[in-house]
Amino acid sequence: DQQVKQNSPSLSVQEGRISILNCDYTNSMFDYFLWYKKYPAEGPTFLISISSIKDKNEDGRFTVFLNKSAKHLSLHIVPSQPGDSAVYFCAALGNSGYALNFGKGTSLLVTP
Amino acid sequence: GAGVSQSPSNKVTEKGKDVELRCDPISGHTALYWYRQSLGQGLEFLIYFQGNSAPDKSGLPSDRFSAERTGGSVSTLTIQRTQQEDSAVYLCASSLRTGDGFYEQYFGPGTRLTVT
Repeated sequence: DQQVKQNSPSLSVQEGRISILNCDYTNSMFDYFLWYKKYPAEGPTFLISISSIKDKNEDGRFTVFLNKSAKHLSLHIVPSQPGDSAVYFCAALGNSGYALNFGKGTSLLVTP
Repeated sequence: GAGVSQSPSNKVTEKGKDVELRCDPISGHTALYWYRQSLGQGLEFLIYFQGNSAPDKSGLPSDRFSAERTGGSVSTLTIQRTQQEDSAVYLCASSLRTGDGFYEQYFGPGTRLTVT
């Protein structure tokens, strides 16, 4: 069963605008959440994370918001740049402390 | 510095054959992970090695799958009697791990396995 869900397979945004990628999870035991970015033929690379004790974490153009009561998190990219075009995976860390549970990914296309 | 490397990058095999996938982690990383991504799915955890501890094999989908890590470094994932549903991208990751808490996992480029 998919415990981390990314319901939008793709998203297209104009350069300079905000990109919002969404993620929902079902397991209330998850306590750490991450976003990974993946270019074709490369492995995923870590982008940003958030602990369940926070509701926001910001790193430059990237901000992750966590709504624990709704079991929802989102990644905001502002302003979006063509180089941001990639597949973004939402992931959650459970009790093991090391096994990541991934969503199916959202393919972001930023057009000039 | 060198990242996680995996070989081969692509592997096509006939149903029923055995395959071996190799992972070279980042030097000094004590933790090593295998994941796989089937078509249209997210990454699925397979197995975790940490130092000399017994591996966590809880994610392996069947007893046809096995993995070993020799000398605390290179790891090999073996799939016996491959089936078409084994077709996927197999990703290896490594990290430091000196205590509790999350340690960033660095992923290799993956091996794309196609079973015909």
